Amino acid sequence: DTGVSQNPRHKITKRGQNVTFRCDPISEHNRLYWYRQTLGQGPEFLTYFQNEAQLEKSRLLSDRFSAERPKGSFSTLEIQRTEQGDSAMYLCASSFHRDRGRGQPQHFGDGTRLSIL
Amino acid sequence: QQQVKQSPQSLIVQKGGISIINCAYENTAFDYFPWYQQFPGKGPALLIAIRPDVSEKKEGRFTISFNKSAKQFSLHIMDSQPGDSATYFCAASRDNQGGKLIFGQGTELSVKP
Repeated sequence: DTGVSQNPRHKITKRGQNVTFRCDPISEHNRLYWYRQTLGQGPEFLTYFQNEAQLEKSRLLSDRFSAERPKGSFSTLEIQRTEQGDSAMYLCASSFHRDRGRGQPQHFGDGTRLSIL
Repeated sequence: QQQVKQSPQSLIVQKGGISIINCAYENTAFDYFPWYQQFPGKGPALLIAIRPDVSEKKEGRFTISFNKSAKQFSLHIMDSQPGDSATYFCAASRDNQGGKLIFGQGTELSVKP
């Protein structure tokens, strides 16, 4: 169990640029979640996948945000035309879900910290 | 819309003391209540979790107390240690809504030697 891996750990970019983050979940986990955390706040849900299907997107996820999980393994989160307000820690979590079963704990990566200049 | 409210915002405890953090929720459909610990620069790490069918769960020095009628739950850290100094988040979720976690605002705990 190597844990959830996120890359890069830090990203500094100019306003208006596009950025992409990657998340590699725990290998047997079929659910993958993205959260955003700003300083002094708890994480806020953005979106989640079960296998390759994106099942829910938060209203926080504007049209500039897109997430994919093409083969049901790793996932990418892209932000287009970044704005100052996008500066935050982007966290990925994964869990294993059985149909009609109780949810299992989510395990988080160490996040990607995005700074917009 | 603040579905999970956490208090206090910060807490200072002497080494060996008991740290108590409280959370209240609004949605009675929530059915899973975890607590996470977060150190600076790291992601949240699951500490302990409870479901509404029990009123208390203990793992080592960590205990969750759950009051379904009051829609409240709390984390107790016994024999608090300086290494416990971190930010603690309560959360809640619904299994039939994909398990997305709704987090509280966090409590910054400082344990003084």
